Amino acid sequence: EIVLTQSPDFQSVTPKEKVTITCRASQSIGSSLHWYQQKPDQSPKLLIKYASQSISGVPSRFSGSGSGTDFTLTINSLEAEDAATYYCHQSSSLPQTFGQGTKVEIK
Amino acid sequence: QVQLQESGPGLVKPSETLSLTCAVSGYSISSGYYWGWIRQPPGKGLEWIGSIYHSGSTYYNPSLKSRVTISVDTSKNQFSLKLSSVTAADTAVYYCARQGYCSSTSCYAEWFDPWGQGTLVTVSS
Repeated sequence: EIVLTQSPDFQSVTPKEKVTITCRASQSIGSSLHWYQQKPDQSPKLLIKYASQSISGVPSRFSGSGSGTDFTLTINSLEAEDAATYYCHQSSSLPQTFGQGTKVEIK
Repeated sequence: QVQLQESGPGLVKPSETLSLTCAVSGYSISSGYYWGWIRQPPGKGLEWIGSIYHSGSTYYNPSLKSRVTISVDTSKNQFSLKLSSVTAADTAVYYCARQGYCSSTSCYAEWFDPWGQGTLVTVSS
């Protein structure tokens, strides 16, 4: 099973700051890495697919990068509405797995 | 616009079988795609339970495989989850979601989008 480890687990950020969340895979997964945003009491929402591909309707301040084992989700100029928990997910091999989540709090 | 809606009992007794259904609107399941179940224990992260192809092929998480059955009913445009011999550890919000994309020749089980709103299932006597 591929383990995805996100860092940090928690981040408290001021509006307009840049946020960087990393996801490290226990073995190479190519670009089969996807990012989700989950706000309290809501279902997860797809932000980025295949490590860096944007999703229609998602604000352009969200971007992804990486391949192999190391991936990054970047939120440029954080807004108050971005307070949420962010998860990475790999679809490279079964069982599909998720990272443990990174909670982003607005100061 | 594709929408998914989970339904089923919110309370299940230990050792019994959890049964949930995901109704799909805005897209015909028989046309393609993989369809998945994911769960989230209260205050915890996400766990993939399994996925089913529109034709009926299934893929399960080995950690749950002995207890899980996912099936599809194209006539009702829905797919279902059964989890047997439940314990308190199976208490979670259960989500259904469409998975991946389809090309002209094949479908691929990649990202989950869209998701249903989720339904909380509590295992308790």
